Amino acid sequence: GENVGLHLPTLSVQEGDNSIINCAYSNSASDYFIWYKQESGKGPQFIIDIRSNMDKRQGQRVTVLLNKTVKHLSLQIAATQPGDSAVYFCAENGSSNTGKLIFGQGTTLQVKP
Amino acid sequence: DTGVSQDPRHKITKRGQNVTFRCDPISEHNRLYWYRQTLGQGPEFLTYFQNEAQLEKSRLLSDRFSAERPKGSFSTLEIQRTEQGDSAMYLCASSLGGSLNTEAFFGQGTRLTVV
Repeated sequence: GENVGLHLPTLSVQEGDNSIINCAYSNSASDYFIWYKQESGKGPQFIIDIRSNMDKRQGQRVTVLLNKTVKHLSLQIAATQPGDSAVYFCAENGSSNTGKLIFGQGTTLQVKP
Repeated sequence: DTGVSQDPRHKITKRGQNVTFRCDPISEHNRLYWYRQTLGQGPEFLTYFQNEAQLEKSRLLSDRFSAERPKGSFSTLEIQRTEQGDSAMYLCASSLGGSLNTEAFFGQGTRLTVV
C-alpha cells in the first residue's frame, strides 16, 4: 500500500504487505530528515534518519528514500506487521543546525490482519 | 530506563491556574527541546536549550510560557494563567549536539487538559 500527496491521512495495508508512506517537505535548505512513529498516547519514536548527501538508507525492515529534486521523502516498511500500526511523521531540520525539527502532518498506518 | 522522562504524564487544571512540567533528558545529551502537539497534528517546536542556555524560542511561546534548564540537565516548562487553548500534549526531546544534527529522542509527553 502507498499514500500519495501530503493530505492522505490514512494508509490501510494487509499484514505482510509492504507499506510506502510519502512526505513532501517544504524547505530546500533542509539537510537532515527523520521518520518518527507515534502510537496513541505516546511520544514520537525514532525510526530512521537520512542526511541530504544520501538518497537511500536502510534499517531493519525500513528504508528511507530522499529525492531532493522534488523535495520528497518516503518510508518503506517491509512485511508490515500489526505492531506497525501507528501515525508516522516525517520531520526536517529546515535551515537550522540546532536540531530543531519541523514536522509534517502525519500519516496513519492501519494494518489489517 | 535511560530514555527521556517527563512528569507528570497527565495534568488536569482549571483555567487561570499555573502548571509546571518537568523533563529529564538522556544524561549525555546537551540539547533539549520542548514541543507542543495538538490532536491530529505533528509536534510544533516551542523552545531549545543547549546546556543551560535557552537559545531559541518559537513565536508560539507566549509570555505566559517560561522554560528553564538551570544546570544543563533537567528542564521545566511553566505555563501561567492557563487557557483552554493550552490543552495539548507537551513533548520534550533531547539530542547530542555537535557540528551535525543527530537524532532527537522524545519522552512520552505530558497531556495537559485545561477545564
